[in-house]
Parts: sequence; structure tokens; C-alpha cells
Amino acid sequence: QKEVEQNSGPLSVPEGAIASLNCTYSDRGSQSFFWYRQYSGKSPELIMFIYSNGDKEDGRFTAQLNKASQYVSLLIRDSQPSDSATYLCAVKADTGGFKTIFGAGTRLFVKA
Amino acid sequence: NAGVMQNPRHLVRRRGQEARLRCSPMKGHSHVYWYRQLPEEGLKFMVYLQKENIIDESGMPKERFSAEFPKEGPSILRIQQVVRGDSAAYFCASSPRSGGYTDTQYFGPGTRLTVL
Repeated sequence: QKEVEQNSGPLSVPEGAIASLNCTYSDRGSQSFFWYRQYSGKSPELIMFIYSNGDKEDGRFTAQLNKASQYVSLLIRDSQPSDSATYLCAVKADTGGFKTIFGAGTRLFVKA
Repeated sequence: NAGVMQNPRHLVRRRGQEARLRCSPMKGHSHVYWYRQLPEEGLKFMVYLQKENIIDESGMPKERFSAEFPKEGPSILRIQQVVRGDSAAYFCASSPRSGGYTDTQYFGPGTRLTVL
């Protein structure tokens, strides 16, 4: 079992719709969770981070965390063609190590 | 306010040569992470460094790879005797504080290494 799993996609949504991206993780000791966006050939760009169970909203983005289910998601409202990218979920444990584990990413395609 | 800088952006080496990748963290950041990304794959953690110290190198291959972050100058990831399987994008990220769970990392543009 991979430590951080994401559906590779592509996930295709029409412009203006809600895009829902999901991520599961295996380490129950994980403490912090990050979503990065990566355009093709570019570096990852931080979108959001979340530490506590529940929802966290920032503009059109909402991160949702459920530690009991070991599940974190990212919702993108009013999706735009410029949101088309690969979204990377990253998980970090606070167990004395410093490793951040990244999922392989979900490719999102927003159709105009 | 310069971000994380990496150079070179593209590097071509022949098998058996050495590759040196450089990373200058954001101003005020003293913690550096190195990651490798193969095509169509996620980022793989390699090493975490603070100034003059390697804190966690659990993701670094035991042979041919080394990293340093001297008191002055950029962090350097060094790959000796490169092989074709080393071809990848290498990203550096920096953070302003210790690698606790609230640490947020900011990525540089990456170095694309091609081994012929």
C-alpha cells in the first residue's frame, strides 16, 4: 500500500463546476496535510495546508480533513481552465522525522 | 523578494560524469529539502538540511549521492558517476523554521537532469 494515494485521473470537469480531488494516507501519525498545484514542466506551488479535522476555506479552494478515515480532499469551486494542472497531496508526520510524503498527483482538466 | 533559486535549470551529462545541482533558499530561510521527480510520478523526498548539518537523509540513495548546505553559499546536491536512471527533475524547497509539522515548504523551479 502506498503511503499517500491519489487517483491519477485525468479528472475532467466543465468550466464553472466543482472539482473534487481526494487523497488517502496510511500513517495514522500524520499531522499536517498540504495541497500543491503543479503545471506541466513547472515546480509545485502551495495552495493550502490543513492541520485540524474539518474544513478550511481559502477563496475558491476548500480543504477537508478526516483523520479518523485518513482522508483529505480539495474542492475547487467555479473551476476555470487555468485550474487545469496536476494536484499533489502531501502528508507530514510529527514523529521526529522530517520527511514529507507526496502522492503521485491527480491531473485535472477543466473544459471551457 | 526573490524566491527559491536553483541552477542550472537544465543539465546534460554523459554516463559516468558528475552532476552538481545548486539551491539558494528564500531570504530568511535556513532549511532546505531536496526532492526528485521522475516523469509522471510524484515527488520523492531525498534529504533535509540546515546550515552545516544534514538532518534527515533517509530518502537519499546510499551510493553516489551526497548533499551539503555550507555556512556560506547555496546548498549543493551532488551525483557522482551518473547513470541514465538519474534523469529526472530535482526540486529544492526551503522553509523558514525547523521541520515540525507546521513547516511549509516553498519550491524552486527545479533542475532537469538528462543523462545521455
